Amino acid sequence: QKEVEQNSGPLSVPEGAIASLNCTYSDRGSQSFFWYRQYSGKSPELIMSIYSNGDKEDGRFTAQLNKASQYVSLLIRDSQPSDSATYLCAIADGTSYGKLTFGQGTILTVHP
Amino acid sequence: ETGVTQSPTHLIKTRGQQVTLRCSSQSGHNTVSWYQQALGQGPQFIFQYYREEENGRGNFPPRFSGLQFPNYSSELNVNALELDDSALYLCASSRGQVNTEAFFGQGTRLTVV
Repeated sequence: QKEVEQNSGPLSVPEGAIASLNCTYSDRGSQSFFWYRQYSGKSPELIMSIYSNGDKEDGRFTAQLNKASQYVSLLIRDSQPSDSATYLCAIADGTSYGKLTFGQGTILTVHP
Repeated sequence: ETGVTQSPTHLIKTRGQQVTLRCSSQSGHNTVSWYQQALGQGPQFIFQYYREEENGRGNFPPRFSGLQFPNYSSELNVNALELDDSALYLCASSRGQVNTEAFFGQGTRLTVV
């Protein structure tokens, strides 16, 4: 079983729709949860961090965390073509060092 | 822009050679982590440096080594390069070791031929 697993893509949504990206993890000791966006040929860019159960909103982005279900998601409202990228879920287990374990990424395409 | 800078941006090396990659961390950040990202995969943790000491290591052989300097900048050294070492190497800096946000540099694309 993979430590961090993301919903298989690619995911295609029309402009203006809600894109839903999902991530499950195996380590119940996980403490911190992050979403990164990576454009083709570029490095990952941090877009959201979440540490406690519930929702966290930042502009068009909402991160949702459910530690009991070992599930974290990212919703993108009013999707734009510029949101087309690979979205990476990353989790820190809270040990003595901040190793991030990444999922394999979900490719999102927003078509006009 | 994250304030994390890496050099060089691209590099081509021959199998068996050695390579050094460099990273300057963001102002105020004292922790640097290195990741390897193969095409189509998520980044894989190589190691982390905190206060000039290796503070955690992923599943990479000893020919991957590093340094952190007093100004918190860092180097990644890879000896005896193999074809499978071809990847994007990413440096991430953070304020502190645990449960803090990590910001990536632009990466170094290494090609081993």
